[in-house]
Amino acid sequence: QVTLRESGPALVKPTETVTLTCTFSGFSLSSSGMCVSWVRQPPGKALEWLALIDWDDERFYSTSLRTRLTVSKDTSKNQVVLTMTNMGPVDTATYYCARTLVTQYYYGMDVWGQGTTVTVSS
Amino acid sequence: EVVLTQSPGTLSLSPGERATLSCRASQSLDNGFVAWYQQQPGQAPRLLIYRALHRATGIPDRFVGSGSETDFTLTISRLEPEDFALYYCQQFGNSTGTFGQGTKVEVK
Repeated sequence: QVTLRESGPALVKPTETVTLTCTFSGFSLSSSGMCVSWVRQPPGKALEWLALIDWDDERFYSTSLRTRLTVSKDTSKNQVVLTMTNMGPVDTATYYCARTLVTQYYYGMDVWGQGTTVTVSS
Repeated sequence: EVVLTQSPGTLSLSPGERATLSCRASQSLDNGFVAWYQQQPGQAPRLLIYRALHRATGIPDRFVGSGSETDFTLTISRLEPEDFALYYCQQFGNSTGTFGQGTKVEVK
């Protein structure tokens, strides 16, 4: 059974850096085609794609947020970490990680975590 | 960056009716890199369609994806009560991904 779980601080202050961890089980991020994506959703708003890291450690970022995002993986721990710098109130959202399969095609985000809510406030 | 524009914003229909959701891309997309998701209130999204027209595991055949280049469609042939939800299209190409802004399918 594939599961993912996001964790991180519920509250951060403006200008701080937030580190979110996705701990997963049931698949290996070193298997060809396996990836983990990050997506966020501000309250009452649409989904926003943030980043993807693949089995070969290639990293892909949102065009608008690429200067603030870093994604990394620890295959031995079955974890993927997303850091976002210079947090502001507009970054208040539920942050999701999801297993993703990408080969010569994109097979989508097929298993999602339940999400972790981050509020940015002083 | 590819911008995905979904229409309509809200679709008001009755159970048993057909729903047609549109997703238009700002530039031509490879069909193999388009997906659709359903989101119920308070829940994580669920993958419905990948590669524009392939149903994900366990997705009923009343969900049909179609389209190419800049125009993609999700059709729900006969709405069941559990289908009233938010729907998003998404693409991953040119080393980045984007979502559409969503279409809400609500009970008329």
